Amino acid sequence: DAKTTQPTSMDCAEGRAANLPCNHSTISGNEYVYWYRQIHSQGPQYIIHGLKNNETNEMASLIITEDRKSSTLILPHATLRDTAVYYCIVRVGGRTPLVFGKGTRLSVIA
Amino acid sequence: GAVVSQHPSRVICKSGTSVKIECRSLDFQATTMFWYRQFPKKSLMLMATSNEGSKATYEQGVEKDKFLINHASLTLSTLTVTSAHPEDSSFYICSAGTSGGVETQYFGPGTRLLVL
Repeated sequence: DAKTTQPTSMDCAEGRAANLPCNHSTISGNEYVYWYRQIHSQGPQYIIHGLKNNETNEMASLIITEDRKSSTLILPHATLRDTAVYYCIVRVGGRTPLVFGKGTRLSVIA
Repeated sequence: GAVVSQHPSRVICKSGTSVKIECRSLDFQATTMFWYRQFPKKSLMLMATSNEGSKATYEQGVEKDKFLINHASLTLSTLTVTSAHPEDSSFYICSAGTSGGVETQYFGPGTRLLVL
């Protein structure tokens, strides 16, 4: 079973920041937080990952709480093309598989 | 990011035939690849771990004789659905990881299989 809890769905206005929460209260010290998204009928797309520190790349920012029990993915300026199912996954490093939960369905509205 | 391709993107076959799906890492080598299956409106389900040069590791409930996996090189893994039946119709997705340090998995675009 997935080790994360995410809201089933969220809406966001186009151009606004989308903040997607994720709870991972049982995360271990050697587990990373990964975020992927899946646009309809496509393979999942890697977004970002982190261990303890906040991370930022060209797609998004990842904010991890100090106790590491939750995190937030931030899409700074959501566009219609960001409409997708977003998955938060915790995973140890190395060649271990990703275990997908149900994710959050984000709808960006014009 | 790294690119993973799958072929074919979609296939329709008759019940009882076998279908081979290829997964390639285009710009990196992957000693481990993963195969997933996704039914409509459901999340991805891990089927098996494909290891280059050795036997695949299957998840509980996945028949290894039905879903044959071959990982013959560092850039290619194949999944063969043998004697396909309508209940095998699904979206099959592979992933491959870049090696070294904290590995990130990159996914292929998926293969939609319809068994008539």
